[in-house]
Amino acid sequence: EVQLVESGGGLVQPGRSLRLSCAASGFTFDDYAMHWVRQAPGKGLEWVSGISWNSGSIGYADSVKGRFTISRDNAKNSLYLQMNSLRAEDTALYYCAKVYSNYGDWYFDLWGRGTLVTVSS
Amino acid sequence: SYELTQPPSVSVSPGQTARITCSGDALPKQYAYWYQQKPGQAPVLVIYKDSERPSGIPERFSGSSSGTTVTLTISGVQAEDEADYYCQSADSSGTYPWVFGGGTKLTVL
Repeated sequence: EVQLVESGGGLVQPGRSLRLSCAASGFTFDDYAMHWVRQAPGKGLEWVSGISWNSGSIGYADSVKGRFTISRDNAKNSLYLQMNSLRAEDTALYYCAKVYSNYGDWYFDLWGRGTLVTVSS
Repeated sequence: SYELTQPPSVSVSPGQTARITCSGDALPKQYAYWYQQKPGQAPVLVIYKDSERPSGIPERFSGSSSGTTVTLTISGVQAEDEADYYCQSADSSGTYPWVFGGGTKLTVL
């Protein structure tokens, strides 16, 4: 079955760290770029970070730049998001998403169910 | 980076046509995509490359583009179409950052 399964969310105090994981199955993981997208409670989707198939191209939203680090392990079919110096405004459901790309066409064609991160003292 | 602007809400009666717009200066140069998100669910792609419909998406969903605005049109709206809709865009090279519109809540009266 083609799927993405996120894990690692939870309740964390402000200033602490958390590492999210996303396990991919049912497709050739190392053929595709992968991204993280988050959604604060009751709010819209916010793009967080993306990584190319070979980790050669990485990008971050300004809101997380310098605090979050995206990485992947193609041997383990896994995507990660290391989140440091967490703030209350990082509270959100974090989705892992697979990218479809083809001649200028770039979009998310597969999403996980998300893992909830709550930053609170 | 750039922004994509959507109306916060659109309301229509069943059977009517709903139009949701997404505006952004970069849209004449890059494709837009539309996602539908129902409560408690992950987003689902309903339109890609401005106006193409993925397999499995009902024909009542269509997309169009004109200048700096793209439009998602739902013809003959059904109760099950009530959801949040988000536009998304990326340049031809997939350069970061990627951007989502703020989302539009479609209410079926």
